[in-house]
Amino acid sequence: AQSVAQPEDQVNVAEGNPLTVKCTYSVSGNPYLFWYVQYPNRGLQFLLKYITGDNLVKGSYGFEAEFNKSQTSFHLKKPSALVSDSALYFCAVRVVYSSASKIIFGSGTRLSIRP
Amino acid sequence: NAGVMQNPRHLVRRRGQEARLRCSPVKGHSHVYWYRQLPEEGLKFMVYLQKENIIDESGMPKERFSAEFPKEGPSILRIQQVVRGDSAAYFCASSPGQGYGATEAFFGQGTRLTVV
Repeated sequence: AQSVAQPEDQVNVAEGNPLTVKCTYSVSGNPYLFWYVQYPNRGLQFLLKYITGDNLVKGSYGFEAEFNKSQTSFHLKKPSALVSDSALYFCAVRVVYSSASKIIFGSGTRLSIRP
Repeated sequence: NAGVMQNPRHLVRRRGQEARLRCSPVKGHSHVYWYRQLPEEGLKFMVYLQKENIIDESGMPKERFSAEFPKEGPSILRIQQVVRGDSAAYFCASSPGQGYGATEAFFGQGTRLTVV
């Protein structure tokens, strides 16, 4: 089955420290991978995506993600966390099948940045 | 530059009533997806529609739930005879047509349904 997993429900980081939010995937064929962020009572905002090419993808708000094909991972990273980064983060994969495609989301990781 | 528009933002229904949730996709997008999010949980795929067609409804409960995306007008998610367990945030997303598998989906702000 095609799926995406976020093994950590919660990640706590001190402001100014680097952060990593983990994501692993299982798909057949080439993966299209995405990261979204959700602030309280809001919809999802697109952060970045990996389609092909450079394994290190840069996105919005200083975030980046590293695609690792051998480990089937797509971890989200930021060199220096801000308190305003505190939110719910979702990893997603687009599943492409015969005549259509849909996006499947991980269970989400709550990122908490302490001052 | 209108994004995905969902209305209403908040909807309160008594048990047994019908809930109708509307979603207008980004202009030019022909694919619409509906997701449900329970409090403190992730997004569960419900249904994927193209204009006038349901492509994948594998995540939709077999009873009481239906969705449509007519040729003209918004996509509608309809929940009949609502129960308390239907209380959740319902998100709509849209993306361009087939062949754009690499494109991200754009999300609306969601409709928060409360069944009392």
